[in-house]
Amino acid sequence: EVQLVESGGGLVNPGGSLRLSCAASGFTFSSYNMNWVRLAPGKGLEWVSSISSSRSYIYYADSVKGRFTISRDNTKNSLYLQMSSLRAEDTAIYYCARGEQHLIQMDVWGQGTAVTVSS
Amino acid sequence: QSALTQPASMSGSPGQSITIPCTGTGSDFENYNLVSWYQQQPGKAPKLIIYEGTKRPSGVSNRFSGSKSGNTASLTISGLQGEDEGNYYCCAYAGSGSHFGVVFGGGTRLTVL
Repeated sequence: EVQLVESGGGLVNPGGSLRLSCAASGFTFSSYNMNWVRLAPGKGLEWVSSISSSRSYIYYADSVKGRFTISRDNTKNSLYLQMSSLRAEDTAIYYCARGEQHLIQMDVWGQGTAVTVSS
Repeated sequence: QSALTQPASMSGSPGQSITIPCTGTGSDFENYNLVSWYQQQPGKAPKLIIYEGTKRPSGVSNRFSGSKSGNTASLTISGLQGEDEGNYYCCAYAGSGSHFGVVFGGGTRLTVL
């Protein structure tokens, strides 16, 4: 079964750091581009970051640029999002999503992991 | 980064058809069919229902269809059912150079009356 499972979410103080993980199974992880997308309370979906299959291309939303770092380990079938200098507005459910032929063709999604930034 | 504009909410009766518009900016959005649509129901992960403007992934009901004309992409849901209630988002590429990325529309909350 094709599956993505996120982990690493939790409660963190403003200015703190957190590392999210996304474990992939059921498909050849190294062949696919990957994305992080978030859903803040009462808001709509917001794209956060993307990484190409071989790590050649990495993109970030302006709202997280310089604070978040996306990475992947194709030997471990895993995607990561290192988040630092966290703000209240980063509070959201974070989803990892597989990009099929195009980054915007996100055909497989995880169940999400919740991040709350609050003191 | 560019914006995609959707109506905040729409409603329809069971059996009716409804079309959700998504207006974008930029020549890339206007000239290419690279638009996706996602359905998200409360407490669930988003689901891809249309890609490349008009294509349906395997397993998605043929009641969902996509189209695009100029700078407006549209999602049409025919034969509305209660299970269609949820939020719908369009998605496209945006920006260029160091500001290149992905953008979602603000989302349309669909209510089936």
